Amino acid sequence: SQTIHQWPATLVQPVGSPLSLECTVEGTSNPNLYWYRQAAGRGLQLLFYSVGIGQISSEVPQNLSASRPQDRQFILSSKKLLLSDSGFYLCAWSVGRAADYGYTFGSGTRLTVV
Amino acid sequence: SQQGEEDPQALSIQEGENATMNCSYKTSINNLQWYRQNSGRGLVHLILIRSNEREKHSGRLRVTLDTSKKSSSLLITASRAADTASYFCSHAGNNRKLIWGLGTSLAVNP
Repeated sequence: SQTIHQWPATLVQPVGSPLSLECTVEGTSNPNLYWYRQAAGRGLQLLFYSVGIGQISSEVPQNLSASRPQDRQFILSSKKLLLSDSGFYLCAWSVGRAADYGYTFGSGTRLTVV
Repeated sequence: SQQGEEDPQALSIQEGENATMNCSYKTSINNLQWYRQNSGRGLVHLILIRSNEREKHSGRLRVTLDTSKKSSSLLITASRAADTASYFCSHAGNNRKLIWGLGTSLAVNP
């Protein structure tokens, strides 16, 4: 069966420090991968998606970047965190377009920038 | 920007009662999806209903879709304390990008 792993579960980082969040998927090949951010009271915001290794599409210009070094690995990074980067970050995957089949989400990372 | 809206924003019921939450949207859709999110956790996909479907069931869940009114409803029958969560609808327009509402927070009291 397919599973998605996301870590860490919580993270407290100082302003200006780097960030690396990792997400891996098991049990499927060539998944579409996504990074979302969920801010309190503001719903889900799509940050990045990837349809293949090395292929990254950015939805919102910001202080973050994403990479897909392997088929089932998706990494969210920042060189210097801002206070506004705080939030709940969710990794997700889909078979084909999520719009057609839906997402499977990871358990999320709560990031607090202090 | 958010173009989906769930209603009500918050709902509190007793265990055993039915819970109904609604979702409205503004564009034409190919399908509409409902998700559940327990506090501090990721979202779980519940049901996907396509634009040519009017009703869909999954266990105690019933989803209806009225494309003429651009609305959908999620009914949870015989609710349990474990149903306490936030419920989100998401729809995809012609550009195939998913649009999310802000969710309904459901509290089921034992």
